[in-house]
Amino acid sequence: GQQLNQSPQSMFIQEGEDVSMNCTSSSIFNTWLWYKQDPGEGPVLLIALYKAGELTSNGRLTAQFGITRKDSFLNISASIPSDVGIYFCAGQLSGATNKLIFGTGTLLAVQP
Amino acid sequence: GAVVSQHPSRVICKSGTSVKIECRSLDFQATTMFWYRQFPKQSLMLMATSNEGSKATYEQGVEKDKFLINHASLTLSTLTVTSAHPEDSSFYICSANLGQNTQYFGPGTRLTVL
Repeated sequence: GQQLNQSPQSMFIQEGEDVSMNCTSSSIFNTWLWYKQDPGEGPVLLIALYKAGELTSNGRLTAQFGITRKDSFLNISASIPSDVGIYFCAGQLSGATNKLIFGTGTLLAVQP
Repeated sequence: GAVVSQHPSRVICKSGTSVKIECRSLDFQATTMFWYRQFPKQSLMLMATSNEGSKATYEQGVEKDKFLINHASLTLSTLTVTSAHPEDSSFYICSANLGQNTQYFGPGTRLTVL
């Protein structure tokens, strides 16, 4: 199935550092969503983006919907140990029946 | 955010048996739910779209006779893995749409077929 290009694949950082990850696609999306998944659990929604150029924050998280509607980034500031997990971007294609295409995921490890 | 539950959280079965997984939207109604499968260290792959009151829409390569989907009410969709085999062992996750194209996910069901 189709997947979005997400990078980096993994990150190993020290507590307190800022983190940035991004997703790109050759397709135009209506909506970008960012999720976090802990081991053995379902993804939890972090941020939803609906308009091109939209910049949205949720606590220490900030995400932006690219102007071309083909990319998005997620920033985490002042990382803490509980930020550990896998982060996925997901895009909804224009005209699709709410189906999401998922990114390949970014594994984040935070060392105290 | 919206709450989506799944039952059971994990199931172990013998090869050849059928397994039913339930997905419920607890505090909202969902005309559309989605079923995903996730293999270890991989991303989520959409299997099918479950539509309340009508047939499910399956993604390419997903056998509709093997993965039976029933969406009998606005808060419940079920996925039945028929004649399960070891290669069907995976993490199955459902989601439901709420409002403006935002999907909320259930906690997942770990299926192990012996």
